[in-house]
Amino acid sequence: GAVVSQHPSRVICKSGTSVKIECRSLDFQATTMFWYRQFPKQSLMLMATSNEGSKATYEQGVEKDKFLINHASLTLSTLTVTSAHPEDSSFYICSAKRTSGGATDTQYFGPGTRLTVL
Amino acid sequence: QQQVKQSPQSLIVQKGGISIINCAYENTAFDYFPWYQQFPGKGPALLIAIRPDVSEKKEGRFTISFNKSAKQFSLHIMDSQPGDSATYFCAASNNNNDMRFGAGTRLTVKP
Repeated sequence: GAVVSQHPSRVICKSGTSVKIECRSLDFQATTMFWYRQFPKQSLMLMATSNEGSKATYEQGVEKDKFLINHASLTLSTLTVTSAHPEDSSFYICSAKRTSGGATDTQYFGPGTRLTVL
Repeated sequence: QQQVKQSPQSLIVQKGGISIINCAYENTAFDYFPWYQQFPGKGPALLIAIRPDVSEKKEGRFTISFNKSAKQFSLHIMDSQPGDSATYFCAASNNNNDMRFGAGTRLTVKP
């Protein structure tokens, strides 16, 4: 299998606080993980590409100081939304690509995290 | 710039019918074309994928048809079932991790 988990699945926070979302590949190693944002009834928007042991690559228009990404191991990447505001409310989804031992082009997605900022 | 164009935006099919969703891409460097199925409040799940060295791939009721010269590919769902009702996304990527998604098609299969 290729299972990716995310934690938490839902989070509600007050404006100005920071929220950390974890993405784990449970049964494979992932050198590369991705973070997406999805608004209701819209497609997935790539925010950043996370590579284990190096700095994340952010897409144009995504604030790196706002969305902190850490990929400290081959099975874990974290996204921290700093000083969250209501406009950051969205569905955040991570995905991971296998390092080896299978289809290395396929991105396997986590179940998503619903963030609501009050 | 939208690199992958997907149509239709929404689709209603009767149970037992064939659902067809089309995608077109622009970047000839793309060499991997997956389809994802997403239910409300869930992450996308890989359905089926194809590479440009074949023109068709079938897995159960799901078939991808690929036309390299036209830079188009499509998903066919045979014998559509109400449980297939979901949003479907096509995507295209290359070895540089550059995966681009279509806008999505909301499929409703009526019983």
